[in-house]
Amino acid sequence: TQLLEQSPQFLSIQEGENLTVYCNSSSVFSSLQWYRQEPGEGPVLLVTVVTGGEVKKLKRLTFQFGDARKDSSLHITAAQPGDTGLYLCAGIPSLAGNNRKLIWGLGTSLAVNP
Amino acid sequence: DVKVTQSSRYLVKRTGEKVFLECVQDMDHENMFWYRQDPGLGLRLIYFSYDVKMKEKGDIPEGYSVSREKKERFSLILESASTNQTSMYLCASSSGGSNQPQHFGDGTRLSIL
Repeated sequence: TQLLEQSPQFLSIQEGENLTVYCNSSSVFSSLQWYRQEPGEGPVLLVTVVTGGEVKKLKRLTFQFGDARKDSSLHITAAQPGDTGLYLCAGIPSLAGNNRKLIWGLGTSLAVNP
Repeated sequence: DVKVTQSSRYLVKRTGEKVFLECVQDMDHENMFWYRQDPGLGLRLIYFSYDVKMKEKGDIPEGYSVSREKKERFSLILESASTNQTSMYLCASSSGGSNQPQHFGDGTRLSIL
């Protein structure tokens, strides 16, 4: 059973379109992190959300943590080819005994076509 | 910037060989992790370490061992490589405390023939 469900699994869009990626769970998380991984590289942290209802913006990327801290979303406005990559969410469940070990979603593979 | 360096980008080995993957971080991080990444299966934790000479099993430790003799270095060992260990291997480190991000190396693509 995957503790963090990401959707969609794949997304192919044209440059300039908007998109939203979701990260959902039935469990409460103390925080959620979003990473982007480009081909041939390791994941790189984009943002950490900690407070229920929190919204963070990173240029054209908007991240939201659900009020109940069970879900998160990533919205990209006017996508560009440079946004292409694998988007991963990860977090630590609130009831986890070990707060060092992240639970990972399977990722959303985004392709932005020029 | 945190730098996590993995010793090889690509590696080809034969079944039965003992394989060593090395990882070094330069930020004095307490925690270090080894993952493998496979299509459709995501990132799966093999082992992690939260201090020198300390290690804990992750979700898929079978067929692997690790060594952390110095704080900056975390080694993954395939005792007797098998073809089902062909994968992308990623090393990561993080500082102590909750909600800390993990910093990744660029990965080692390992092929076992």
